Amino acid sequence: DGGITQSPKYLFRKEGQNVTLSCEQNLNHDAMYWYRQDPGQGLRLIYYSQIVNDFQKGDIAEGYSVSREKKESFPLTVTSAQKNPTAFYLCASVSSEGYGYTFGSGTRLTVV
Amino acid sequence: DAKTTQPPSMDCAEGRAANLPCNHSTISGNEYVYWYRQIHSQGPQYIIHGLKNNETNEMASLIITEDRKSSTLILPHATLRDTAVYYCIVRPYGNKLVFGAGTILRVKS
Repeated sequence: DGGITQSPKYLFRKEGQNVTLSCEQNLNHDAMYWYRQDPGQGLRLIYYSQIVNDFQKGDIAEGYSVSREKKESFPLTVTSAQKNPTAFYLCASVSSEGYGYTFGSGTRLTVV
Repeated sequence: DAKTTQPPSMDCAEGRAANLPCNHSTISGNEYVYWYRQIHSQGPQYIIHGLKNNETNEMASLIITEDRKSSTLILPHATLRDTAVYYCIVRPYGNKLVFGAGTILRVKS
């Protein structure tokens, strides 16, 4: 079945370490997105990519980096510059028709 | 993108219809109304979208007023598994999704 896979589901890191969250899709979707969600809050856009080798900053890009070397993959790196990295991270993709987004099941990152 | 206003929470009895309102008084002619829901600790799930006409699919119905300034998502027979946060989002075709706080729907037995 087609879908989006985020791994790992839970991730623990020490403060000051960079960490990379994986997002892979086999839906042949062009656009991919990374969102962050804090407890009791809505989703906030970190980065997005509409085609391979191109990406744009979202509303809260500081302290994060991404790459889009393959259509299927859009990894997110949480750097040590991110002040409050502990959160629930969600990846999504959408086809060129642009209607329904498909979301992954998320990665819960805890920095201690 | 136009701003949306939703009630913070609603309760619904199991088996009854759940009617979730959304105000979007500043909506533009090229903006669609989308509904997503998020069950606790999962990724959001697309439900339905519409531009002008009412829409229905296997999950829900979307009723958009004639002036397009508000809409209602209808879950015809709510079950306990429909308990979730429901997001109403207005955006032009192709634009990125911007999420608000949504409505917490609690379906009670």
